[in-house]
Amino acid sequence: DTGVSQNPRHKITKRGQNVTFRCDPISEHNRLYWYRQTLGQGPEFLTYFQNEAQLEKSRLLSDRFSAERPKGSFSTLEIQRTEQGDSAMYLCASSSGQGAYYGYTFGSGTRLTVV
Amino acid sequence: AQKVTQAQTEISVVEKEDVTLDCVYETRDTTYYLFWYKQPPSGELVFLIRRNSFDEQNEISGRYSWNFQKSTSSFNFTITASQVVDSAVYFCALSDNQAGTALIFGKGTTLSVSS
Repeated sequence: DTGVSQNPRHKITKRGQNVTFRCDPISEHNRLYWYRQTLGQGPEFLTYFQNEAQLEKSRLLSDRFSAERPKGSFSTLEIQRTEQGDSAMYLCASSSGQGAYYGYTFGSGTRLTVV
Repeated sequence: AQKVTQAQTEISVVEKEDVTLDCVYETRDTTYYLFWYKQPPSGELVFLIRRNSFDEQNEISGRYSWNFQKSTSSFNFTITASQVVDSAVYFCALSDNQAGTALIFGKGTTLSVSS
């Protein structure tokens, strides 16, 4: 088990382009979370999956953002029509049960720069 | 509303000094979990400790110790005999029933340990 894997590690895109990030959780973890971290801030919750079902979405997740977790394995986070304000580190985490009790394992993140 | 405050933005110490990172939290729930994470320059969040609201025992793990005081809503983290490898951003986080599955993070404290 290699932990939570996120790809790509870095992404530079022009404003208005679409981008997609991938997260591969720990294989036996049924819960998957996306967070966004801007410079000088702590991570902020975006959305959460239990298996393939998206159960929670933060108000931070605008209509331009969409996340999927087909078959309850890996997850993708897509941002459409990127804006400079989307520049951030996007972190993925997984857990085997209720995260607060079982613990969360975070990936190394995808750093997005919108120019 | 839930909130985590880490008032110290940056701390600089010299190797072998002891350093305490402060964390104050707000929640109306009686059941909640508190966490500390370390974020080295590589970006991943490394889990350090989880404490539930019913366990006020202080904990020591090697050079790390944590002081949980419900009376002051604080969960402070002390590093004894700091080392250069301790240089990182440290986050305190809260999970409670109001936050659902989300972790509420503070803004983090950047610790720089010089030799």
